[in-house]
Amino acid sequence: KNQVEQSPQSLIILEGKNCTLQCNYTVSPFSNLRWYKQDTGRGPVSLTIMTFSENTKSNGRYTATLDADTKQSSLHITASQLSDSASYICVVSAIGGGGNKLTFGTGTQLKVEL
Amino acid sequence: NAGVTQTPKFRVLKTGQSMTLLCAQDMNHEYMYWYRQDPGMGLRLIHYSVGEGTTAKGEVPDGYNVSRLKKQNFLLGLESAAPSQTSVYFCASKTPGQGHYEQYFGPGTRLTVT
Repeated sequence: KNQVEQSPQSLIILEGKNCTLQCNYTVSPFSNLRWYKQDTGRGPVSLTIMTFSENTKSNGRYTATLDADTKQSSLHITASQLSDSASYICVVSAIGGGGNKLTFGTGTQLKVEL
Repeated sequence: NAGVTQTPKFRVLKTGQSMTLLCAQDMNHEYMYWYRQDPGMGLRLIHYSVGEGTTAKGEVPDGYNVSRLKKQNFLLGLESAAPSQTSVYFCASKTPGQGHYEQYFGPGTRLTVT
């Protein structure tokens, strides 16, 4: 069964600090991995998408890494801001089905405090 | 562009009542999706559509029906609501294919069934 596991479940950091969120997956055959940011009461918004051949992708202060051999990904947030407080969801897509076979993680709830 | 919009934003139903959730997108996307999001669980696919007039079952289709009469609209129906259908429902749309085609999500509909 395809699964995506994220850690930690929740995290509190001080504004200006860095943090790293983890994602382990067992989705096969692998197509791509996405990180989404979901603010409270809103829909998820895409941060990065990486295919098998990409091992790093940045979007401003967000940097995602992918190790397809160990089936792990991380999302690093640099110089955190209060607006980074949200749930971060790792989503893995399997090959086939026209890109419709997505497995969602349960998310890491990040809170940035003053 | 409004992107993906959902109507209504909130709804309370009594067990056995019916309702329809409306999703509209103005990005000319072929593919559209309905998900539900429950506490402690990743988003789960209910139904999806790969084009006007076509629909397909996702991971948790029981108790729901869908229709895609127009390319820009995707309707989710609950014929006889049950408390187990209390959830937040998200609609999404995307361009067909694998790779770097992300899903764009709507703001969600919070449904409570009493």
